[in-house]
Amino acid sequence: AQSVTQLGSHVSVSEGALVLLRCNYSSSVPPYLFWYVQYPNQGLQLLLKYTTGATLVKGINGFEAEFKKSETSFHLTKPSAHMSDAAEYFCAVSEDQFYFGTGTSLTVIP
Amino acid sequence: DSGVTQTPKHLITATGQRVTLRCSPRSGDLSVYWYQQSLDQGLQFLIQYYNGEERAKGNILERFSAQQFPDLHSELNLSSLELGDSALYFCASSRGTGSSNYGYTFGSGTRLTVV
Repeated sequence: AQSVTQLGSHVSVSEGALVLLRCNYSSSVPPYLFWYVQYPNQGLQLLLKYTTGATLVKGINGFEAEFKKSETSFHLTKPSAHMSDAAEYFCAVSEDQFYFGTGTSLTVIP
Repeated sequence: DSGVTQTPKHLITATGQRVTLRCSPRSGDLSVYWYQQSLDQGLQFLIQYYNGEERAKGNILERFSAQQFPDLHSELNLSSLELGDSALYFCASSRGTGSSNYGYTFGSGTRLTVV
């Protein structure tokens, strides 16, 4: 079975600083990769996805992620954090089913 | 609005009781997935239905059951409720089953509180 590892259950950044949320997966073949965001008291919303083609994918709200096959990673970045980015972020891999990471809670410090 | 509708949004009930959570998938989606999200367990996959048939089972307790109806809506039944069942229950839908490059579309969840 697939496993998805998100390093750091809590990440804090200052407003305007770089956001880096890490995700590694265990699949031996390139899977479909996703990042979801969950704002308080809401459902999960798709931020971006990698299926095939360009390994750097851009999503909503200025986020992007890069698929690195050699590192089995799909880290999420944003150049400049905004207060509204404070949320829970989930990495997910789609093989026979979806496998979610345990989530990373992002805090943005004013 | 994601297109996935979950009702009710909030539910408070006593231990030992039974509740039913309802989910209507996004138009055109045939698969429905149920997830439980709690502070200590994170996001746990419970069960998947595809076009009316159970397709995959996760960490679903025997006290829990689900079904998907001909109109594709799904219900999750939770019985003999315990305090530890208090959680957010999410429904998600997708076009097909198995590996998907579309991703899942999530509903806004039902917050269950067992007192």
